[in-house]
Amino acid sequence: EADIYQTPRYLVIGTGKKITLECSQTMGHDKMYWYQQDPGMELHLIHYSYGVNSTEKGDLSSESTVSRIRTEHFPLTLESARPSHTSQYLCASSESVGHTIYFGEGSWLTVV
Amino acid sequence: QQQVKQSPQSLIVQKGGISIINCAYENTAFDYFPWYQQFPGKGPALLIAIRPDVSEKKEGRFTISFNKSAKQFSLHIMDSQPGDSATYFCAAPISGGYNKLIFGAGTRLAVHP
Repeated sequence: EADIYQTPRYLVIGTGKKITLECSQTMGHDKMYWYQQDPGMELHLIHYSYGVNSTEKGDLSSESTVSRIRTEHFPLTLESARPSHTSQYLCASSESVGHTIYFGEGSWLTVV
Repeated sequence: QQQVKQSPQSLIVQKGGISIINCAYENTAFDYFPWYQQFPGKGPALLIAIRPDVSEKKEGRFTISFNKSAKQFSLHIMDSQPGDSATYFCAAPISGGYNKLIFGAGTRLAVHP
């Protein structure tokens, strides 16, 4: 079992609200990732981090931002949510790129 | 651009049959090719991975076959069971200034009893 936790699991919010999706891992992994996935569809990397104070944008452009102040914590923030942000957000971590990526169970965001 | 091409998009197999999913990749940073399995409402989980100092790796009913010259690798599920019904993703570490795994578009497998 992966020790990576996401909160909230489900969130319904109104347009224009600010939200933060929390992600924590207890495995001491340096590499952490955020993927966006619509139901049953492909995984799109939107942010990744190779360590504390290191963050990069992924392949899919996203209006969200991330921070990595502590190794175990990689929160994702949307300053002003829109209906187009409705999706599942998956947090993940790995020891290195050539090692297993462990995924959290996902945060389902619905913006109304 | 699609750097990891996965096919088919969906697959229906009878119980006991063989499920085959294929992936083709472009340039890789290094040789590591995993397959992930995702059940509805869950995050993906590593199923099996190969580092191609070998051309094939088998774990139980699951086998990865790798063809380096063709830049292709495939997942074979022998004796497919209804419990194997899930979405399967291949991935490859694509080069391009930094190393990270790029996932294929996924294959939805349904195994009918």
